Order: sequence, then structure tokens, then C-alpha cells
Amino acid sequence: GENVEQHPSTLSVQEGDSAVIKCTYSDSASNYFPWYKQELGKGPQLIIDIRSNVGEKKDQRIAVTLNKTAKHFSLHITETQPEDSAVYFCAATFSGGYQKVTFGIGTKLQVIP
Amino acid sequence: DTAVSQTPKYLVTQMGNDKSIKCEQNLGHDTMYWYKQDSKKFLKIMFSYNNKELIINETVPNRFSPKSPDKAHLNLHINSLELGDSAVYFCASSQANGDYEQYFGPGTRLTVT
Repeated sequence: GENVEQHPSTLSVQEGDSAVIKCTYSDSASNYFPWYKQELGKGPQLIIDIRSNVGEKKDQRIAVTLNKTAKHFSLHITETQPEDSAVYFCAATFSGGYQKVTFGIGTKLQVIP
Repeated sequence: DTAVSQTPKYLVTQMGNDKSIKCEQNLGHDTMYWYKQDSKKFLKIMFSYNNKELIINETVPNRFSPKSPDKAHLNLHINSLELGDSAVYFCASSQANGDYEQYFGPGTRLTVT
């Protein structure tokens, strides 16, 4: 089955700095890679996703990159703000059939004002 | 309007008891899920239903039994509760299984004493 490794597990940055979270996956068949943000006391919420036919995707201050050859994908948050403080999960799955989404262990991001 | 709702939000009970958690989604999605999030924030899928049919059943003790009376509801019944069942349980739904955004409920914090 798929295995997703995520690091770091915790990350502290100064407000305004950039934050990068990295993930690797094991199953070369995986072709969909979502990122979820979980704020304290809430359920995870999708913030951005990328499919294997794209190498990079950007949405305002958030970007995700994908290296299919190396089976790496990363989340980049620029100009961090205190409201970016949360736990971030990467995940991987593939389309077709009944496939589960495999989540990474999560990264707790703290943005220091 | 709440997209995915769960009841109760908090559940405190003693070992050996039986309890249920209810989930409803008003998004018209075909697929629903139950996840368990432990104290280290690790998200692990337990079950997935597609149009009331069980499609994913991870290695979960038989004490856990999901029930989907219709496409919009997925309930979780737990028999003979154990201390290790203490966790936050999230219900989620998606348009279909696989490479689709999952919408998570607010979670049910279960504490077994």
C-alpha cells in the first residue's frame, strides 16, 4: 500500500518568512496529492492540491510542487501570517477504483508574530 | 449551512459501554468516511462508504460497526469501549471515492475513562 512520509513534524517561523513542508510517497501509481490544513478544534480543510500531470500549482501565498521521478511533493507558504498557524497534512492517492487517501503524519506550523 | 455535521461533539464514557456517533452531509456526495485522529494528530482512515456500500474497511476491531442508512448519513457504533478508543473521530464526505476533495466534519472527541 501507499506510504507517505512528511517532515518536519514541527516548524516555527517568524511572521513574514516562508515555510516549506516536504512529503515523499512510495506508490508510483499515486496521481493526486492534496494538502489539508487543520486549525485547532476543527476538521482538516483542503487548501491546495496537485495532480501528477502538473509540476507546480500556486494559489496566492500557497504553492505546491511535485517531482514524480523522485516521488516528492512540497508545500510552500510565503509571507506567513499568524493565521497560518495550524497542522498541515499532505496526502496521496490515485484515481480509479476504490482507493483510500493516505495522509502524512502532519506538520505543526507556528508563525511567531 | 453546515456541510458535514457530527453529533455529539464531545463524548465521555466509561470502559465497557456502547456508544454511537452520528454524521450527516448535505453536499449530495456519494462517498463518506470515518477517520480516527489520535493524540499525536495522526489521521487514520477506518471506513469508507460509497452510495451506502462499504468500500474501504481498514484493520479496525470488530467492536466498531459503521452503518449508512442512506447516502447522506454514516453512523459509527462502538461496542465495549476501551481506553485506547479515546481519540477524535472525524466524519468526511467527497463527491466520489479517490481523487476528490474531502470535506471533514468538526470531529467528535471521545474520552473513555
